[in-house]
Amino acid sequence: QKEVEQDPGPLSVPEGAIVSLNCTYSNSAFQYFMWYRQYSRKGPELLMYTYSSGNKEDGRFTAQVDKSSKYISLFIRDSQPSDSATYLCPERLGSQGNLIFGKGTKLSVKP
Amino acid sequence: DGGITQSPKYLFRKEGQNVTLSCEQNLNHDAMYWYRQDPGQGLRLIYYSQIVNDFQKGDIAEGYSVSREKKESFPLTVTSAQKNPTAFYLCASSIGGKFTNEKLFFGSGTQLSVL
Repeated sequence: QKEVEQDPGPLSVPEGAIVSLNCTYSNSAFQYFMWYRQYSRKGPELLMYTYSSGNKEDGRFTAQVDKSSKYISLFIRDSQPSDSATYLCPERLGSQGNLIFGKGTKLSVKP
Repeated sequence: DGGITQSPKYLFRKEGQNVTLSCEQNLNHDAMYWYRQDPGQGLRLIYYSQIVNDFQKGDIAEGYSVSREKKESFPLTVTSAQKNPTAFYLCASSIGGKFTNEKLFFGSGTQLSVL
């Protein structure tokens, strides 16, 4: 099963840092993009959802999509210890079109 | 509050035993999914159901079975044929309709371990 390509991590940053998380997707027909955040031993929660190229901002979080290069990024400004989690960017692949999740990028924000 | 409820949070299985994981949603979603997550690994799709009384195998269905008798419920049975069942199991739901811009909503997971 092909997996989504994400920065492998783990990533450790000091509190207040700007964080950049990146994914490369392969399905050129993929039209909408999501970022999920998963805390340890919890279910993933939808963090960002965008249906276009360009940037979408929500508080300290910005999702950026570059369809020409099939690249998506999540930027976290003024990172907080509560942002410490694994971040997932699924892609829709395969004949059934179900969402495929990679290993994610584990982020640790140190106080 | 609407959401997805998984139970139990922790489950232990003995050799040769079948165990059933519960998943209930009150979001009025048509589609439901079961994923398996191993430490340091991505989520792998076990089974999914787009509508009541219908379900399809995902990528790793061997050793698992499901039923979808009600829209709200999608229980997963881990059978004795699953030789490596220890994992974190996640149930999810979405509004439904394949190839749409659907968002997945997840439950809080069940950790299954072998005694």
